[in-house]
Amino acid sequence: KAGVTQTPRYLIKTRGQQVTLSCSPISGHRSVSWYQQTPGQGLQFLFEYFSETQRNKGNFPGRFSGRQFSNSRSEMNVSTLELGDSALYLCASSGAAAIPNTEAFFGQGTRLTVV
Amino acid sequence: QKEVEQDPGPLSVPEGAIVSLNCTYSNSAFQYFMWYRQYSRKGPELLMYTYSSGNKEDGRFTAQVDKSSKYISLFIRDSQPSDSATYLCAMSEAGGGNKLTFGTGTQLKVEL
Repeated sequence: KAGVTQTPRYLIKTRGQQVTLSCSPISGHRSVSWYQQTPGQGLQFLFEYFSETQRNKGNFPGRFSGRQFSNSRSEMNVSTLELGDSALYLCASSGAAAIPNTEAFFGQGTRLTVV
Repeated sequence: QKEVEQDPGPLSVPEGAIVSLNCTYSNSAFQYFMWYRQYSRKGPELLMYTYSSGNKEDGRFTAQVDKSSKYISLFIRDSQPSDSATYLCAMSEAGGGNKLTFGTGTQLKVEL
């Protein structure tokens, strides 16, 4: 069974640009969550999508947005990049049904560097 | 103050030792508790998943949850060099969807 796939694995962007990251969840999973991981703050929750709807949102500015498609694949967009957005962005796939609090499985992440 | 506190380590132990990793939390609404292992340059890998208080064992790993003390633990028996990684605790609320709140992680090194 294929795991969670995140693309690209690495990105270098310039301050002020925007970026889109992609996540394909485990087949049958309908919940996709996004996290930012930095050495200082650890893993912080960005948002969760279930059946194309945002179900939860963390405390990040509006520059961070996401969406989910009918096939459960999800994208995350960061606009007007700042140096502090440099981080590992992780996607987690959960649950084959609408039941929350199911086990979350992570992808390998996208390493974003803003210069 | 963070909702979930975890000693960052690093923790260094000899091969074969019993390792104890711990997290404390302040949010009494947390009902689901998880432990993840993360190797360098990899995503977190789910080790244990428990609901409410009690113990759960899986091979060399035992997870304990004490909701009265807001304290969770992960024990690793007969530790191996391959256990060297960062261990992250994570928690979620009932009705909170799949939003996880993480500790900052404990870096473990098991030495030969």
